[in-house]
Amino acid sequence: GAGVSQSPSNKVTEKGKDVELRCDPISGHTALYWYRQSLGQGLEFLIYFQGNSAPDKSGLPSDRFSAERTGGSVSTLTIQRTQQEDSAVYLCASTLFAGERREQFFGPGTRLTVL
Amino acid sequence: AQKVTQAQTEISVVEKEDVTLDCVYETRDTTYYLFWYKQPPSGELVFLIRRNSFDEQNEISGRYSWNFQKSTSSFNFTITASQVVDSAVYFCALSGTNTGNQFYFGTGTSLTVIP
Repeated sequence: GAGVSQSPSNKVTEKGKDVELRCDPISGHTALYWYRQSLGQGLEFLIYFQGNSAPDKSGLPSDRFSAERTGGSVSTLTIQRTQQEDSAVYLCASTLFAGERREQFFGPGTRLTVL
Repeated sequence: AQKVTQAQTEISVVEKEDVTLDCVYETRDTTYYLFWYKQPPSGELVFLIRRNSFDEQNEISGRYSWNFQKSTSSFNFTITASQVVDSAVYFCALSGTNTGNQFYFGTGTSLTVIP
């Protein structure tokens, strides 16, 4: 597609349930990032994938959070045993590192509400 | 350490006024990149500009202009003759070549343009 897409756009779940959030990056982009944005706050880095390298998981807040990227394209962020503090907008971004070009292109986000 | 500071949390201006959004960064990298993103009320972050550390030439794009000064580690963004459609949260970001392709975002400046 032309841009980064994310699904679902909204997700409401009950505390303790697992959720999966999906990101389809821009075709050809080698890098993919996940961020979390709480209401009125900035972007909190979660995890970063670059090509076939091991992902940078340094931003994951707990072991309940995990992510994978299959075939160097689509990525899934999984939150197990969701808590109310997980409620936020989860943003995905992809980047093509080519020379000086390294800007991130963001998807519309998934708004997660944990009841 | 890599850090981006946007000291202005919220700014309100009357339509047609000029407004400058401040961004101050810290980095030990000799080669780095600076970015501005716009996040309108709809939520999706939109890339505005990328600046390389070795190019201090200021840039103008329509009503938008950017002033990059390495001497003061600043990358300020000016909107001339502001319009209601400029109302959004604006984020400044930094990416260095020695930080594993990580991006560091400021906390954002919320701009409200009053008609």
